[in-house]
Amino acid sequence: GAGVSQTPSNKVTEKGKYVELRCDPISGHTALYWYRQSLGQGPEFLIYFQGTGAADDSGLPNDRFFAVRPEGSVSTLKIQRTERGDSAVYLCASSWRQGPPFFGPGTRLTVL
Amino acid sequence: GQNIDQPTEMTATEGAIVQINCTYQTSGFNGLFWYQQHAGEAPTFLSYNVLDGLEEKGRFSSFLSRSKGYSYLLLKELQMKDSASYLCAVSVNRDDKIIFGKGTRLHILP
Repeated sequence: GAGVSQTPSNKVTEKGKYVELRCDPISGHTALYWYRQSLGQGPEFLIYFQGTGAADDSGLPNDRFFAVRPEGSVSTLKIQRTERGDSAVYLCASSWRQGPPFFGPGTRLTVL
Repeated sequence: GQNIDQPTEMTATEGAIVQINCTYQTSGFNGLFWYQQHAGEAPTFLSYNVLDGLEEKGRFSSFLSRSKGYSYLLLKELQMKDSASYLCAVSVNRDDKIIFGKGTRLHILP
């Protein structure tokens, strides 16, 4: 596809469960970002990949959150033991080197 | 620390001009982005400033002063479809991570 895709578009889970959110970046983009956004707020930085490695993971809130990008393309954000406070829209974006990131449609996560 | 400030909300009239300001204090600076975000949608890229000065792109212009840690987005000939949130974001040195402000919700009145 031409743009960034994210799956699922919506995820409802119960407190304490494990979830995986997937991001498929624009082909050839080397950089990949994960953000989360709550209503009325700007995107909150979580983690940034350059290629396969996490260049900066300082935004991950705690050790329940983990992200991988094993082949330098698709990335998965993993959240263990979900809590109600994890409910948000999780946005993925990709860019070519230092160019502007282009965002996917997001995954709306609801933890009951 | 990293801090990006924008007004929370602004209101303007259709056909008018509006300027949305952004100030930043970051540990480094590689460039500044402006994004538009309609309710329930993902942010879309508007402009990118690396050097001081004004970048014009149709009805939208963006200005940067690196010495003052200041930028603005200027929207001319406002249309109802310009009602959205406008996000200021800074690419921070060394690791090039990009951090966002909280956004400015712009309401356009007919």
